Amino acid sequence: GENVEQHPSTLSVQEGDSAVIKCTYSDSASNYFPWYKQELGKRPQLIIDIRSNVGEKKDQRIAVTLNKTAKHFSLHITETQPEDSAVYFCAATAYNNNDMRFGAGTRLTVKP
Amino acid sequence: KAGVTQTPRYLIKTRGQQVTLSCSPISGHRSVSWYQQTPGQGLQFLFEYFSETQRNKGNFPGRFSGRQFSNSRSEMNVSTLELGDSALYLCASSLAWGVGAGELFFGEGSRLTVL
Repeated sequence: GENVEQHPSTLSVQEGDSAVIKCTYSDSASNYFPWYKQELGKRPQLIIDIRSNVGEKKDQRIAVTLNKTAKHFSLHITETQPEDSAVYFCAATAYNNNDMRFGAGTRLTVKP
Repeated sequence: KAGVTQTPRYLIKTRGQQVTLSCSPISGHRSVSWYQQTPGQGLQFLFEYFSETQRNKGNFPGRFSGRQFSNSRSEMNVSTLELGDSALYLCASSLAWGVGAGELFFGEGSRLTVL
């Protein structure tokens, strides 16, 4: 099955700086790559996703890039704010499959 | 529209006991997935159900089982509980299966403590 690795496990940045979280996946059949944000004590929520026919997708301060050849994808957060502090999970699955496999998570702390 | 509802929210069991957790998906969602969340391990996939059939299964022992009812509600059961089963169990629903389910909508989870 799919195996997703995520780095770093913790990330601390100053408010206004950028943050980058990287993930690699193993299954070449995977073609859907979502990112979830989990604030302390809350449920994970989708923040952005990308499909394999797209190399990059942006939504305001958040962007995701995908390199299918290298089997890695990254989350980029620009102009970070304290409310961006949370645990971020990447995931991968085949688009026609609900077998969603998650990375171990990255705890992002944005210092004011 | 009501979100994903999980019950109970908290429970304490002792080793050797069994536990049943319940998940009611968003109305109209037919796929239900279960995840185990522990510190440092992220979200570990347990299994996924669609139309009362288990479609996918993660790498968990047979003590972990589940089922889905005709109204899409799902239950998971853990028998012969071990200390290592202490975790937050998250249920997630999505609209469909096999046509690009897309976003998973998570419940708030059932926090299980095994003593």
